[in-house]
Amino acid sequence: SQQGEEDPQALSIQEGENATMNCSYKTSINNLQWYRQNSGRGLVHLILIRSNEREKHSGRLRVTLDTSKKSSSLLITASRAADTASYFCATDAKRDDKIIFGKGTRLHILP
Amino acid sequence: DGGITQSPKYLFRKEGQNVTLSCEQNLNHDAMYWYRQDPGQGLRLIYYSQIVNDFQKGDIAEGYSVSREKKESFPLTVTSAQKNPTAFYLCASSERTGGEYNEQFFGPGTRLTVL
Repeated sequence: SQQGEEDPQALSIQEGENATMNCSYKTSINNLQWYRQNSGRGLVHLILIRSNEREKHSGRLRVTLDTSKKSSSLLITASRAADTASYFCATDAKRDDKIIFGKGTRLHILP
Repeated sequence: DGGITQSPKYLFRKEGQNVTLSCEQNLNHDAMYWYRQDPGQGLRLIYYSQIVNDFQKGDIAEGYSVSREKKESFPLTVTSAQKNPTAFYLCASSERTGGEYNEQFFGPGTRLTVL
């Protein structure tokens, strides 16, 4: 069962622009996590935001969480070519004893 | 170095054969997971284990089996009953604090191709 759904499925922007990806989920969560995956590699954890937090920053990353709308956004500022990757949200849902991943957003940074 | 390793990186299987994918972690994590990823898709959970000698089915367990005899090891067997096993397989581990899952650490993956 899919808990998180990312939007858009694919995004292409110019280098230096900001990239925003969204994640919607269905049930109450303990936390929501964002991961990056370079082509053919394992996933790398970016940031975790708990259900009682509204915003979190890490370097050029900014994550927001709106539990009333059951949604989260990941903002990457001043994008670089190295940011080209797929980005996944994952939810630690209270009703499920596991983490569930969405299908991801494929981000392509144009030179 | 602490981390999670998977082997082999590439695996070719003939139809009707069982194959076993290795996953080892030295992070002292209790929880371990196996995911399947198809091209352009997200991760689908096959099996997960929260503690040694215990594991649960995920969303797509049919045709797969696992064991968790040691904390650091969680091998996945792809059996001949799995109809379409060609995919990228990812293993992960994590800790659990106060009933909440922390970040997952992923291995580099095994790409399985059925000939």
